[in-house]
Amino acid sequence: NFMLTQPHSVSESPGKTVTISCTRSSGSIARNYVQWYQQRPGSSPTTVIYDDNQRPSGVPDRFSGSIDSSSNSASLNISGLKTEDEADYYCQSYGDSIVVFGGGTKLTVL
Amino acid sequence: QVQLQESGPGLVKPSETLSLTCTVSGASISSGDYYWSWIRQPPGKGLEWMGYVYYTGSSYYSPSLKSRVSISVDTSKNQFSLKLTSVTAADTAVYYCARGGSVDPFDYWGQGTLVTVSS
Repeated sequence: NFMLTQPHSVSESPGKTVTISCTRSSGSIARNYVQWYQQRPGSSPTTVIYDDNQRPSGVPDRFSGSIDSSSNSASLNISGLKTEDEADYYCQSYGDSIVVFGGGTKLTVL
Repeated sequence: QVQLQESGPGLVKPSETLSLTCTVSGASISSGDYYWSWIRQPPGKGLEWMGYVYYTGSSYYSPSLKSRVSISVDTSKNQFSLKLTSVTAADTAVYYCARGGSVDPFDYWGQGTLVTVSS
């Protein structure tokens, strides 16, 4: 099994760009797709990126995802930050009959 | 529109069994297009995948919970259920049911239900 490690928190100003990383502890990050979920306080998570870099309909193109094999990590990039983007973000991947979530990153837009 | 709704007791005593049911509408579990999962979130903490089930009844569990968890499906009622045995205060969490698992992302989630373990 493997773990996904995210920074505990990040903060940035409105209009700026932020990147949240998700590092896989063992096995290649490219082996299995990575998804990203946004969770606002008191709400269920929603998907913002699936299959590494795909956006569900309705998610603004300010959200993008990528993977980097050299650092064995995935990244969620949010540009043109808005106060409504303030939330917890979780990466998620899978292995042989298991699902793994990262610990989550609290994004503060201030 | 796909909707999932969790139901079950909000309070469970230590050492007893936690039982929850997820009722699915707008999609058919028996179509076999998706897996169906349970995910939990302790207060103030992150998401933890518990397991998923297929319409055939085949199920897969988190290694950390495997000895205590079981997930079953009732296609006639379009429901799937969670049982977690020998609960302790550490099992206090919001429990979510969701569509997805295995290689699929979780694209639909229930609203979540808080289960508190306390005497």
